[in-house]
Amino acid sequence: DAGVTQSPTHLIKTRGQQVTLRCSPKSGHDTVSWYQQALGQGPQFIFQYYEEEERQRGNFPDRFSGHQFPNYSSELNVNALLLGDSALYLCASSLRGGQPQHFGDGTRLSIL
Amino acid sequence: SQQGEEDPQALSIQEGENATMNCSYKTSINNLQWYRQNSGRGLVHLILIRSNEREKHSGRLRVTLDTSKKSSSLLITASRAADTASYFCATVLTGANSKLTFGKGITLSVRP
Repeated sequence: DAGVTQSPTHLIKTRGQQVTLRCSPKSGHDTVSWYQQALGQGPQFIFQYYEEEERQRGNFPDRFSGHQFPNYSSELNVNALLLGDSALYLCASSLRGGQPQHFGDGTRLSIL
Repeated sequence: SQQGEEDPQALSIQEGENATMNCSYKTSINNLQWYRQNSGRGLVHLILIRSNEREKHSGRLRVTLDTSKKSSSLLITASRAADTASYFCATVLTGANSKLTFGKGITLSVRP
């Protein structure tokens, strides 16, 4: 039973560039949430996708956008990267937005 | 913004001892959850306690919830070196669907 998988595991970008991170939910799950975790901090909620629509959004600027595909996988896009976007980006999945959420191992994004 | 605040920030104990971690939160919740994170990895769900519950057990874990004091505690009994990790409490606020709001976490070190 495949858990939540994220790609890539590590990524290095420079300021101003754009990045796309990918997530495949746990088998049987249909809801995907994205979190940003800065070093030494707890994860911060970015947004949640269900039925290919953004259902909830945290306090993140419009530079952060996402998409959910018919197979429930999801992408997180970040435009005009800033140094402060350096973080571990975590994807979590669940069934119909329920609890608990299952997390992937994340994508470590470094901005130079 | 952080909803939960864990206490202490760091805890170091000997193998076999019990570890107690506390979490306080600010607003009304639907449920509270504890997660574990090994260095650089994703979060692993440990236990969920609903707002109408006062205590739950799962293996060596015991969680309590006091909604009048807006606080929770996680007790790990007979700790093992493998319990070394960061522990986070996360709340689902009333009316916030499934969005998780995390604290900054507690670093637990279990010495062999």
